[in-house]
Amino acid sequence: EVVLTQSPGTLSLSPGEKATLSCRASRSVGGNFLAWYQLKPGQAPRLLIYTASTRATGIPDRFSGSGSGTAFTLTISRLEPEDFAVYYCQQYGNSPRFTFGQGTKLEIK
Amino acid sequence: QVQLQESGPGLVRPSETLSLTCSVSGVSITSFYWSWIRQPPGKGLEWIGYIYHSGYTNYNPSLESRATISVNKSKNQFSLRLSSVTAADTAVYYCARDPNENHLDVWGQGTTVTVSS
Repeated sequence: EVVLTQSPGTLSLSPGEKATLSCRASRSVGGNFLAWYQLKPGQAPRLLIYTASTRATGIPDRFSGSGSGTAFTLTISRLEPEDFAVYYCQQYGNSPRFTFGQGTKLEIK
Repeated sequence: QVQLQESGPGLVRPSETLSLTCSVSGVSITSFYWSWIRQPPGKGLEWIGYIYHSGYTNYNPSLESRATISVNKSKNQFSLRLSSVTAADTAVYYCARDPNENHLDVWGQGTTVTVSS
């Protein structure tokens, strides 16, 4: 099983600042099948990025993904108030098919 | 647009079977893969398993012995049954669509299930 480790656990920033979230895999992620999601209480989770760097439909261009192999990054170039949430990375593999990181909480400083 | 909605009992007794349904609108269930994911209180996301319209399923090994996912094409729904539940199965349960076997592009809002006597 590929284990994903996200850092930091909590990130405290102000609106307008740049956020950089990290996701490291215990083994190389095949096909760069690495996705990022945003979770807010009471809302449906939102797909942001898939295959490491492809923005999902309707996602603002301030969100970008990068990386390959075992190291991946989600960058939010200029934080908007609605961006403060919990972010999860997810990889697709053999068994189990989907595994998630433990999450990074992005909070208002 | 594509929408998913989970439904089912919010309270299940220990040792009983949890049953949830995901109603899909805006797209036929006879395409794509359809997953169940859960999030226990204060914890991260855990993928439970998925089903293809043909009936092909794949489960997380940690839950494979207790989980069953099925599809009802006539109702455009898919379902989860989780047997012999304990307090550790208390979670928000989500259903989601997998368009091509590597990510989950549309999710339901989730339904909270509590296991308690």
